[in-house]
Amino acid sequence: EAAVTQSPRNKVAVTGGKVTLSCNQTNNHNNMYWYRQDTGHGLRLIHYSYGAGSTEKGDIPDGYKASRPSQENFSLILELATPSQTSVYFCASGDNWASYEQYFGPGTRLTVL
Amino acid sequence: AQSVDQPDAHVTLYEGASLELRCSYSYSAAPYLFWYVQYPGQSLQFLLKYITGDAVVKGTKGFEAEFRKSNSSFNLKKSPAHWSDSAKYFCALGPNTGANTGKLTFGHGTILRVHP
Repeated sequence: EAAVTQSPRNKVAVTGGKVTLSCNQTNNHNNMYWYRQDTGHGLRLIHYSYGAGSTEKGDIPDGYKASRPSQENFSLILELATPSQTSVYFCASGDNWASYEQYFGPGTRLTVL
Repeated sequence: AQSVDQPDAHVTLYEGASLELRCSYSYSAAPYLFWYVQYPGQSLQFLLKYITGDAVVKGTKGFEAEFRKSNSSFNLKKSPAHWSDSAKYFCALGPNTGANTGKLTFGHGTILRVHP
């Protein structure tokens, strides 16, 4: 069965620190996505990727970088974390031909103090 | 620009009743429309989609949705509702541009509570 995993599941960081959220998928999907979920905002797209080596800006990319070193792995990087980045982050994968049908990971709860 | 509106933040009903969660969208062309469900403490799961063809689409867990171009809506329905349907439901839109980027625009979600 298709699987998307995320690590860590919970993270507490300090303001100004660097945070890396990792995502791994075994679906062999080309497309991968990073979202954040906040009360009152639903899910918002931060970065996405069409395949290894590619990253694209989503709707709210400021303060975030992304890295796709391989088909399976997609990381979200907060170089200088701020309290406003406290949120729940979801990674998802999607096939080229049905990318709107996305498979989500379990989420990472990030708290920036 | 595209947007999705779910006007009801919360919906509460009793088991056995019919449920209908509202979703409206704004998009200049024919959209791709989706419903996802998030059970408490879990991640999002795909429920159903409308791409083209029949206006009523069926998904998993007994859900169906009706696409109405006339009023730009894509409401989710189920009858009867079960307590296990209690969850947060998200409506989403994908642009029909021919380039399948997979970029979805989500609504804010509707929390459904079904009392036993």
